[in-house]
Amino acid sequence: GENVEQHPSTLSVQEGDSAVIKCTYSDSASNYFPWYKQELGKRPQLIIDIRSNVGEKKDQRIAVTLNKTAKHFSLHITETQPEDSAVYFCAAPGGFSNDYKLSFGAGTTVTVRA
Amino acid sequence: GAGVSQSPSNKVTEKGKDVELRCDPISGHTALYWYRQSLGQGLEFLIYFQGNSAPDKSGLPSDRFSAERTGGSVSTLTIQRTQQEDSAVYLCASSQRTEYNEQFFGPGTRLTVL
Repeated sequence: GENVEQHPSTLSVQEGDSAVIKCTYSDSASNYFPWYKQELGKRPQLIIDIRSNVGEKKDQRIAVTLNKTAKHFSLHITETQPEDSAVYFCAAPGGFSNDYKLSFGAGTTVTVRA
Repeated sequence: GAGVSQSPSNKVTEKGKDVELRCDPISGHTALYWYRQSLGQGLEFLIYFQGNSAPDKSGLPSDRFSAERTGGSVSTLTIQRTQQEDSAVYLCASSQRTEYNEQFFGPGTRLTVL
């Protein structure tokens, strides 16, 4: 099955700085890579996703890049704000025949210092 | 509109007792997923439903765990003879389809086994 590794496990940044979270995956057939944000005590919510036919996608202050050759994808948050503090999870499906089954990374706890 | 709902929000039980966790997906969503999130950990896939059928039960930790879905809507996750290691937050999610679709999560049920 798919194995997703996520780094770092914790990330502390000064407000206004950028934050970068990286994930690697094992199944080369994976073709959909979502990122979820989970605030303390809340449910995970999708913030951005990328499909394998593009290398980068942006949505305001967040962007995701994908390198299929190296099998890794990254989340970039620019101009961080206190409300960006949360746990972020990357995920990848189980490949061609298992794209329903998302495997999640272990999560990155992001703390934005005021 | 209404999102995914789960009940109960919290459940405290004694070791050896059975528990039932309920999930009400978003109306019209054909795919339903169960995940387990242990404290400070990522999301562990348990099972998914397409309609009322569960093509993949491989994520269920043991035969004490079972799940069903009726009428293509409500799902129940049952844990028999609960153990302390079952303590976790159980999250349910639903999506319109399985492929490339955002999974909308419920608020979760926090299960504590004493």
